[in-house]
Amino acid sequence: GAGVSQSPSNKVTEKGKDVELRCDPISGHTALYWYRQRLGQGLEFLIYFQGNSAPDKSGLPSDRFSAERTGESVSTLTIQRTQQEDSAVYLCASSSRPSGTHNEQFFGPGTRLTVL
Amino acid sequence: RKEVEQDPGPFNVPEGATVAFNCTYSNSASQSFFWYRQDCRKEPKLLMSVYSSGNEDGRFTAQLNRASQYISLLIRDSKLSDSATYLCVVNIEGQNFVFGPGTRLSVLP
Repeated sequence: GAGVSQSPSNKVTEKGKDVELRCDPISGHTALYWYRQRLGQGLEFLIYFQGNSAPDKSGLPSDRFSAERTGESVSTLTIQRTQQEDSAVYLCASSSRPSGTHNEQFFGPGTRLTVL
Repeated sequence: RKEVEQDPGPFNVPEGATVAFNCTYSNSASQSFFWYRQDCRKEPKLLMSVYSSGNEDGRFTAQLNRASQYISLLIRDSKLSDSATYLCVVNIEGQNFVFGPGTRLSVLP
């Protein structure tokens, strides 16, 4: 079946512009996660959805970052007034449930964001 | 103390070598454990889940020691294609997944 998909695959934007990144999880997966990975760095947790609610948004770095999920499916991550330090790969992952056995995460290919 | 710590690496080993990676986690409530691999400029991919009794998948063996809060990954007869960054991941009931910083492996011809 289809895996996690993300769009766009690449996004180049000017400092100060808003961007919207999209994630389509695996069908039926109730848990959805957003991460950020700067070049040469590890994964940085941003936010986690269970269904359409976000029990943990502790990783969002500032109020310029927001995310929503609708229909227990698609999620969008919005970055307002982008800054150069926002340049990174934004990865989305989904899992069939947030805990217990067989709750592995499956990742999308990521969106590479470059802020000029 | 970081929630998940791993060997700093990088590990450079010849083909055919056996290599072991170590990982420790700080939260005793952690209940699910995984090893992922990440190739350069690619997304992480699940390598294997780690079960309490330990588990093996071909050349890969994972061990979990809950008392010591320690996870290991052993790769036998390493191949050039094993070159990647290996990520230790833990999950707590109903919470997000926590990724370690990763250990980079280079298998040399």
